[in-house]
Amino acid sequence: QSTVTQPPSASGTPGQRVTISCSGSSSNIGMYTVNWYQHLPGTTPKLLIYNDNQRPSGVPDRFSGSKSGTSASLAISGLQSEDEADYYCATWHHTLNGPVFGGGTKLTVL
Amino acid sequence: QVQVVESGGGLVKPGGSLRLSCEASGFNFNDYYMSWIRQAPGKGLEWVSFSSGGGGRDISYAESVRGRFTISRDNAHNSLFLQMNTLRADDTALYYCARLRRGPWHFDLWGRGTLVTVSS
Repeated sequence: QSTVTQPPSASGTPGQRVTISCSGSSSNIGMYTVNWYQHLPGTTPKLLIYNDNQRPSGVPDRFSGSKSGTSASLAISGLQSEDEADYYCATWHHTLNGPVFGGGTKLTVL
Repeated sequence: QVQVVESGGGLVKPGGSLRLSCEASGFNFNDYYMSWIRQAPGKGLEWVSFSSGGGGRDISYAESVRGRFTISRDNAHNSLFLQMNTLRADDTALYYCARLRRGPWHFDLWGRGTLVTVSS
């Protein structure tokens, strides 16, 4: 069972804005930065957001990240069909001395 | 081309052993932390282990594999390894090799994975 919690599913229609939440604790999100990964089945996970809200080069600005206290969020604006994927938040865990992933959120574009 | 490629997966019986390899290219392997991450069928991503660059003295394991798995690296051959012993059915997963950046931390380069199946 993950110590970082995400909703198992989310959905939206093309063009809509959707947000995915990521809830942790003072031992992980409250102390460390959060990353977000996009994973399409059968492909390599892709880094979308690092350092809470930084986008690597090549990631569209439709994707944005934020963090407050022990929670973080990924927002996707202008939703497109190719955004249908699994999304994972990840942070560091102080006592585990390693990263911890959220359980993942399956995004469906209706 | 900057990439990492995993190999060594396969079918193994419970209690058996397997050694995974990850070959890196296109970057100075010695300078980077490297990590193993896995995904069991129908499940999410789970971090397994990491090793620092250089002599690999900074090493950590997930609780689920500590004492059974050993991470190592051969910087001369740009390779990362994962020796997996006393394998269990719940170790069945696609194992990814990933480059781990520190300050701020993130996985910025992933391989395509190698499948490990533990079954009798």
